[in-house]
Amino acid sequence: GAVVSQHPSWVICKSGTSVKIECRSLDFQATTMFWYRQFPKQSLMLMATSNEGSKATYEQGVEKDKFLINHASLTLSTLTVTSAHPEDSSFYICSVINGGGSSYEQYFGPGTRLTVT
Amino acid sequence: GDSVTQMEGPVTLSEEAFLTINCTYTATGYPSLFWYVQYPGEGLQLLLKATKADDKGSNKGFEATYRKETTSFHLEKGSVQVSDSAVYFCALRDSSYKLIFGSGTRLLVRP
Repeated sequence: GAVVSQHPSWVICKSGTSVKIECRSLDFQATTMFWYRQFPKQSLMLMATSNEGSKATYEQGVEKDKFLINHASLTLSTLTVTSAHPEDSSFYICSVINGGGSSYEQYFGPGTRLTVT
Repeated sequence: GDSVTQMEGPVTLSEEAFLTINCTYTATGYPSLFWYVQYPGEGLQLLLKATKADDKGSNKGFEATYRKETTSFHLEKGSVQVSDSAVYFCALRDSSYKLIFGSGTRLLVRP
């Protein structure tokens, strides 16, 4: 069964509005979650690392004030796209890690497709 | 920085054909290497992995060998099925647990 869920799976919003995407770890507590962005026919690009109880760590070039990440519990992280613009339209994917060292495993959510009109 | 390059798709094969999807990497250290598969409407799933040079990862008939001398991790399967149609991503994991992905290769297997 699914290890990671995302909600919504698809959302359309108007330019200038904000959208919140939820990522839930279903099978285990996740102190660390990752948020990726995937453009059509392109690779997944890591946006940020979300740590429970602390501020997220953003990759270079990602606007932290635009992509707000809140990891409020060990099973939930949210990504809010603020003041969305058409160029923010993309496929957003979260993942969680379980274990450490050689037994590290990363599980991915099914993704959320955002379309900004 | 570290990077992964994989062959562009789509790759179209007939059922029972042999599959190779090329993947090469650039890394400063000794990364772990992965192949992920994304079926339509689903999240990425780990297909196989290799953590050190000369390791062979295998799963569901797919294989890939970690070749340090050629910095490659090519994915192979001897006989593909229609159900193998998906997008395949090669990736490496650096020492900080971050995954760096290739651009993905779409495989379409026709009956």
